[in-house]
Amino acid sequence: AQKVTQAQTEISVVEKEDVTLDCVYETRDTTYYLFWYKQPPSGELVFLIRRNSFDEQNEISGRYSWNFQKSTSSFNFTITASQVVDSAVYFCALVITDSWGKLQFGAGTQVVVTP
Amino acid sequence: GAVVSQHPSWVICKSGTSVKIECRSLDFQATTMFWYRQFPKQSLMLMATSNEGSKATYEQGVEKDKFLINHASLTLSTLTVTSAHPEDSSFYICSASPPWGQVNSPLHFGNGTRLTVT
Repeated sequence: AQKVTQAQTEISVVEKEDVTLDCVYETRDTTYYLFWYKQPPSGELVFLIRRNSFDEQNEISGRYSWNFQKSTSSFNFTITASQVVDSAVYFCALVITDSWGKLQFGAGTQVVVTP
Repeated sequence: GAVVSQHPSWVICKSGTSVKIECRSLDFQATTMFWYRQFPKQSLMLMATSNEGSKATYEQGVEKDKFLINHASLTLSTLTVTSAHPEDSSFYICSASPPWGQVNSPLHFGNGTRLTVT
């Protein structure tokens, strides 16, 4: 069985601070994909990134960056110079290729950015 | 634009009534769609896998007679919450994936349906 742990329930920062969201996963499968989604108060899921288990290259997209480390089964997400619009719940998720589409979500981390 | 359309975006119904939620793939055919449920301030939990032309596969603990899923076409799956009760109040969200290659196909989510049962 797969498991995704987001130990941080809520993180509060002041605008322009950096914030790092932790994600630790468990799976016995060697081929899997990891995702990050943003869920604003309106509820929709906004896709941020997908990474497969064979690609440990870190990625940067604007103010967002991701650190994937298979050795520690972690896929952490950093928002640099946070903005109020970053306030949302962020979910880390995992899917194994044998069960494509069946995402296992973490509990989510609420990010609150205050001006 | 959205590639998966979910309707309605919100619905309020009385206890005991049934509610139907639609999930449409707009520009691709989806042989498989997925239904998730999210209670307030909780994570998303997979409820069932909707299979075009065959029975849905339900996750453990999900009542198949209460949550009826129909996937009659390659672009439409419906979730019907039968005899709804207040405890069914939740956010329901679907996802779909183009069938090409299966693995590594993008996963598209609908915008969700907020159900309130009074």
